[in-house]
Amino acid sequence: DVKVTQSSRYLVKRTGEKVFLECVQDMDHENMFWYRQDPGLGLRLIYFSYDVKMKEKGDIPEGYSVSREKKERFSLILESASTNQTSMYLCASSSGGNGVQYFGPGTRLLVL
Amino acid sequence: LAKTTQPISMDSYEGQEVNITCSHNNIATNDYITWYQQFPSQGPRFIIQGYKTKVTNEVASLFIPADRKSSTLSLPRVSLSDTAVYYCLVGDEGYSTLTFGKGTMLLVSP
Repeated sequence: DVKVTQSSRYLVKRTGEKVFLECVQDMDHENMFWYRQDPGLGLRLIYFSYDVKMKEKGDIPEGYSVSREKKERFSLILESASTNQTSMYLCASSSGGNGVQYFGPGTRLLVL
Repeated sequence: LAKTTQPISMDSYEGQEVNITCSHNNIATNDYITWYQQFPSQGPRFIIQGYKTKVTNEVASLFIPADRKSSTLSLPRVSLSDTAVYYCLVGDEGYSTLTFGKGTMLLVSP
């Protein structure tokens, strides 16, 4: 079974802090994704990566950056957290074009 | 960008067939249609994927008309454990047009 793990299930941070969300997959997938999920808005793509050191902006990249130094790991970075970034963050991976995405359990981030 | 539209919620009873329709009027030639299921406090889970006509697996069927401007997820004989949010995703190989719908909350009652 594909396993996608996220570093934390719950995080509480203060406004202005730098926040790192880590995601690791164990199936050698080329593609990895970061989404945020908010009530009434569904899942929105922040960034995705189709290879090591490669990244593409999704629908809502503002205020976020990403890093993919190794194939199995994809990090989401909030350089200066703001209250409007309070959300559920979901990481996913897939093996190729139109491949099924496997999601992690999510990180619920609260920015105070 | 292939925007998708789904009903916000649906109600059903155990044993009934449930059909959830997703509209994607601007679907591109290379786009596939994928449906996911999500339970509270979990990430979405793949249900079924199709490009055209009909696809069936052990849990669901997916009906796609010839114009591909909509798709219908069919869940046969639902149970209480099918209560979840169902998402329709339209995207192509480049992932540049990945768009999730806002999801349909399905509530199955006894």
